[in-house]
Amino acid sequence: DAGITQSPRHKVTETGTPVTLRCHQTENHRYMYWYRQDPGHGLRLIHYSYGVKDTDKGEVSDGYSVSRSKTEDFLLTLESATSSQTSVYFCAISALPGQGGPGYTFGSGTRLTVV
Amino acid sequence: GIQVEQSPPDLILQEGANSTLRCNFSDSVNNLQWFHQNPWGQLINLFYIPSGTKQNGRLSATTVATERYSLLYISSSQTTDSGVYFCAVQLVTGANSKLTFGKGITLSVRP
Repeated sequence: DAGITQSPRHKVTETGTPVTLRCHQTENHRYMYWYRQDPGHGLRLIHYSYGVKDTDKGEVSDGYSVSRSKTEDFLLTLESATSSQTSVYFCAISALPGQGGPGYTFGSGTRLTVV
Repeated sequence: GIQVEQSPPDLILQEGANSTLRCNFSDSVNNLQWFHQNPWGQLINLFYIPSGTKQNGRLSATTVATERYSLLYISSSQTTDSGVYFCAVQLVTGANSKLTFGKGITLSVRP
């Protein structure tokens, strides 16, 4: 989607190395999310942000940290990558759901392989 | 947390057939959305439908919030409808806001 960009699109990294994935939006939306998608599990929330420097954990946050120093960027960091973190990572943005907002918009995803 | 169940898990259709995809959820919600993930992995927001019925071309959706379910109807299916359909729900109670996704329904439309 033109309003949300994820980088990189693909990455292969070695076990134990740090990895940072970037999500950039041009919509000025308040909420940003990081999900991982794995076969048999669907989409699971890792972390989310409800404003600059305001973040909280999702259901699978262990091994991940996030930062949001400005509205447009939300970074996901794997401090020490493990093979169990091999997955497809999606970023999403939203206005204020439940108040007639436009709903969620997803980025194109980042395919991360940890070898 | 809210539990979301989608059925059937897999569906195979011949092109031109109609289908109904179901989403059940365990608690009250004030946001429900349907997404389509195409074979290239892109997630597309189909409907924002916390209640009532909406239609968009060959697709329509109905949510009966009081009975905690939503239905996605696909009429005259096309091969481009193939992919995974996700239902996601949410209860917005304050400043925090999170969607809970079902595991998806994999649809294959054959020519």
